[in-house]
Amino acid sequence: NAGVMQNPRHLVRRRGQEARLRCSPMKGHSHVYWYRQLPEEGLKFMVYLQKENIIDESGMPKERFSAEFPKEGPSILRIQQVVRGDSAAYFCASSGTVMNTEAFFGQGTRLTVV
Amino acid sequence: TQLLEQSPQFLSIQEGENLTVYCNSSSVFSSLQWYRQEPGEGPVLLVTVVTGGEVKKLKRLTFQFGDARKDSSLHITAAQPGDTGLYLCLEGGSEKLVFGKGTKLTVNP
Repeated sequence: NAGVMQNPRHLVRRRGQEARLRCSPMKGHSHVYWYRQLPEEGLKFMVYLQKENIIDESGMPKERFSAEFPKEGPSILRIQQVVRGDSAAYFCASSGTVMNTEAFFGQGTRLTVV
Repeated sequence: TQLLEQSPQFLSIQEGENLTVYCNSSSVFSSLQWYRQEPGEGPVLLVTVVTGGEVKKLKRLTFQFGDARKDSSLHITAAQPGDTGLYLCLEGGSEKLVFGKGTKLTVNP
């Protein structure tokens, strides 16, 4: 039973480019969460999605950031026109249902903006 | 969504020592989960506690859920360098899955 898969593990982008981070949840999980983590800090909630729906995006910057979880395929976190401050580790977690919120995490994507 | 406070924020100890870290809230948890995150990796679920007063053991780790379900503790016996990491608590049953800021534990050989 494959765990949560994130790719790429490392992503380097120049300022102004777009970054696309992918997350495939565990089999049978329909809830996906994205977090950002800066060095030496905790996990900051960004967005919570179910299939084809954004449930809570209160932690996501209003501009340049978007997320989706289509009916088929992985969840995508998209950052347009990246800036140096976007450099961070981005983690995705999935869970089966809201009540059973044992969340399982991917290994993260480390984004570096140069 | 309630705020979770974890303490201490940083802890550096010698191998073989015992330690306890805490997770507290002003509100009642429906359940609580503990995770450990090692450098460069994603958080890994250690345990879920549900019932007030519950105690769960995982090898040298002992997890306790307060009777009032507002607090939890993680006790590590005879810490080893492999226990080094960021220990995070998470309120179960909440939509956002908001974590506490974590306790960064360093166990020195």
